[in-house]
Amino acid sequence: GAGVSQTPSNKVTEKGKYVELRCDPISGHTALYWYRQSLGQGPEFLIYFQGTGAADDSGLPNDRFFAVRPEGSVSTLKIQRTERGDSAVYLCASSLKGLNTGELFFGEGSRLTVL
Amino acid sequence: KQEVTQIPAALSVPEGENLVLNCSFTDSAIYNLQWFRQDPGKGLTSLLLIQSSQREQTSGRLNASLDKSSGRSTLYIAASQPGDSATYLCAARNQAGTALIFGKGTTLSVSS
Repeated sequence: GAGVSQTPSNKVTEKGKYVELRCDPISGHTALYWYRQSLGQGPEFLIYFQGTGAADDSGLPNDRFFAVRPEGSVSTLKIQRTERGDSAVYLCASSLKGLNTGELFFGEGSRLTVL
Repeated sequence: KQEVTQIPAALSVPEGENLVLNCSFTDSAIYNLQWFRQDPGKGLTSLLLIQSSQREQTSGRLNASLDKSSGRSTLYIAASQPGDSATYLCAARNQAGTALIFGKGTTLSVSS
């Protein structure tokens, strides 16, 4: 596609529910990143994929968060037993190159609200 | 652990002014630094990418500089316009090279 696509754009759920957020990166981009942004803050790194593997998942806050990229393209961020503190905009980015280089291109984000 | 700070948090200027946004980072061992623009409710748009070996990059009315030794970068906007109103974020590629670490941003308002 022309840009990074994220779905859904908005998700409202109840505390304790399971949520999946999808990211479709720019075609041919091997590197994919998930970030989380709370109101008035800069994006917070969650996880980085190079191809199908998670090269760095040090930003995932706890074991309720998990992400996959089974075919090296589309990625899904999965959140189990959602909590009100998980409410944020979840941003996905991709780049042509991975380690050390490469300009990141961001999607418009998925806004998650946990009631 | 890399930390990125942006000053000021907010800035208001009249149209036509030249302005400078500041970014500082604690770990000088960065691989590159990237400046982004974010409009309300939108994702991030990349403005400029400076590799660690470079001193500055220019795009139109924007000029970004990098001084690794002092842990600083600046974004210079010439002849500001109301359409420049947005939040500007800087981000330093971390030591492992796997992620960008962001500042909290500077929210710019340009009045006509």
